[in-house]
Amino acid sequence: AQSVAQPEDQVNVAEGNPLTVKCTYSVSGNPYLFWYVQYPNRGLQFLLKYITGDNLVKGSYGFEAEFNKSQTSFHLKKPSALVSDSALYFCAVRDIVSGTYKYIFGTGTRLKVLA
Amino acid sequence: NAGVMQNPRHLVRRRGQEARLRCSPMKGHSHVYWYRQLPEEGLKFMVYLQKENIIDESGMPKERFSAEFPKEGPSILRIQQVVRGDSAAYFCASSQGRDNEQFFGPGTRLTVL
Repeated sequence: AQSVAQPEDQVNVAEGNPLTVKCTYSVSGNPYLFWYVQYPNRGLQFLLKYITGDNLVKGSYGFEAEFNKSQTSFHLKKPSALVSDSALYFCAVRDIVSGTYKYIFGTGTRLKVLA
Repeated sequence: NAGVMQNPRHLVRRRGQEARLRCSPMKGHSHVYWYRQLPEEGLKFMVYLQKENIIDESGMPKERFSAEFPKEGPSILRIQQVVRGDSAAYFCASSQGRDNEQFFGPGTRLTVL
């Protein structure tokens, strides 16, 4: 079965410091991976995706993610955190086995950036 | 280009009533996905529709829940005889094709009293 895991419920980081939000995946075949951010009482906003190609993917708002096939990970990173980055972050994998390409989401990681 | 629209944004129902949630996909998108988010949890897939067709409803509860995406008009997620456990945020996403990325609406927050 295809799945993603976000091992940390919450990550705290000081403003200006680098941040990492972890995601590991389990898929059959090549993974199609995504990161989304959710602000309170809002929908999900797309940050970035990995389909194929370079292992380092650059996305919106200065975020990037590193695809690591040997470790089956797709960690989200940012060199310098902002207080406004505080939100709920979701990793997702696209289910291509069933043929519907629905997204399977992790349970989310709450990022708190402290001033 | 307007994004995915959902209405109402908030819906309160009493147990036993019906809830109708609407989703208008982005212009040019003919694929719609519905997801449910319980408090403090991730999103769980419910149903995938293309115009006039249900493609995958493997995430839908077998009873009381139904979805449609007519040729004209928005996609509708209908919950009959709501129970307290139906209280959640319901998100709709649309895409141009199943290979394309999904864009999410702001969600409908359903509260069942």
